Amino acid sequence: SYELTQPPSVSVSPGQTASITCSGDKLGDKYACWYQQKPGQSPVLVIYQDSKRPSGIPERFSGSNSGNTATLTISGTQAMDEADYYCQAWDSIHVVFGGGTKLTVL
Amino acid sequence: QVQLQESGPGLVKPSQTLSLTCTVSGGSISSGSYYWSWIRQPAGKGLEWIGRIYTSGSTNYNPSLKSRVTISVDTSKNQFSLKLSSVTAADTAVYYCARDWLAGTYNWFDPWGQGTLVTVSS
Repeated sequence: SYELTQPPSVSVSPGQTASITCSGDKLGDKYACWYQQKPGQSPVLVIYQDSKRPSGIPERFSGSNSGNTATLTISGTQAMDEADYYCQAWDSIHVVFGGGTKLTVL
Repeated sequence: QVQLQESGPGLVKPSQTLSLTCTVSGGSISSGSYYWSWIRQPAGKGLEWIGRIYTSGSTNYNPSLKSRVTISVDTSKNQFSLKLSSVTAADTAVYYCARDWLAGTYNWFDPWGQGTLVTVSS
């Protein structure tokens, strides 16, 4: 079965750029999306179709996908961005999530 | 703006069937080319897709759960439902429903319901 791998944790200083990776076999041939989940809350879509931002998502969130890796980039990271982030892709009619990355802003 | 709300028992006994309903408000479940999905998350763990349904009744299920899952839709009530049979403690999780934007060979979920905790225990 298809698997997506994320680092368990990423740390970033306020105002700096955070990059969270998601790796999978030939992931660049698929579309990836990203969700943000804060403690006790439901996931929120922040990037879809590799790099598109839903309405209401700040411009500091961006995405890319090439080769075997999709990347979520948060520019000018703010304290409010501290959360778990999950990548997701679609493989042979089935949905696959990455294991999640805890972003710490310190 | 479409909103989703899960409902159902918060406690299910082992070997029994878990039943949840997702009510869609702010729009018709039949409008647009959307699928509707169930996703779960055990405490402190990641997300697991359970399955999806289209308003025609067409379904896709996670292969790891397929033998125990049934998803159905009631367009007259603007609801879709999940049944998971023969539950064990490993099925204890927060269960989310979500609108599934399926476009050819890719998809995304937006929005999500608030989630409901289901505990499997005697």
